[in-house]
Amino acid sequence: GQQLNQSPQSMFIQEGEDVSMNCTSSSIFNTWLWYKQDPGEGPVLLIALYKAGELTSNGRLTAQFGITRKDSFLNISASIPSDVGIYFCAGDLRTSGTYKYIFGTGTRLKVLA
Amino acid sequence: DAGITQSPRHKVTETGTPVTLRCHQTENHRYMYWYRQDPGHGLRLIHYSYGVKDTDKGEVSDGYSVSRSKTEDFLLTLESATSSQTSVYFCAISEPYQEGTQYFGPGTRLLVL
Repeated sequence: GQQLNQSPQSMFIQEGEDVSMNCTSSSIFNTWLWYKQDPGEGPVLLIALYKAGELTSNGRLTAQFGITRKDSFLNISASIPSDVGIYFCAGDLRTSGTYKYIFGTGTRLKVLA
Repeated sequence: DAGITQSPRHKVTETGTPVTLRCHQTENHRYMYWYRQDPGHGLRLIHYSYGVKDTDKGEVSDGYSVSRSKTEDFLLTLESATSSQTSVYFCAISEPYQEGTQYFGPGTRLLVL
């Protein structure tokens, strides 16, 4: 089936550092979504991207929709302890007029104070 | 937060018993989805619905059935639960023609003994 390759799988960083993660696919997507999941909770939407080349920010988070529509990245600037969690990318796959979302396997972020 | 609730939030059952999980939304979104989340696999789509009585299979639909008799409710049924169906189940909703984004419920943790 369709897959999104998300990297890195995990990362340990010092508080205050910047973080970058990305997702790539062999398929073209119309929308890229970035989520954060805390333990025991459902994923929470961070940023949605709708157009190729789009660069969108949400506080310390910045995400971009790749020009080829096959990739996206998420940057977190000046990380803080509450940034700890699992970050997922997702792309919408429109088949036969219906909307399905494909998810990456996640990037587990740990911030060292 | 999007108005999505899931019930039950936790369930322990025995192999061979039927189980039904419920997702309820107050957003009047047309699309509803059921995912399972397992370590190393991220979020995988089980079934989704694009309208009342309109459903389709996802990538891991074997052993599961769904029903949607009202816009606000989407039921996931395990006809005869197996230990491999032990997982965390998430419901999600979207309204592609308005936003193209997807919002998640809090999850149901299911243990099949």
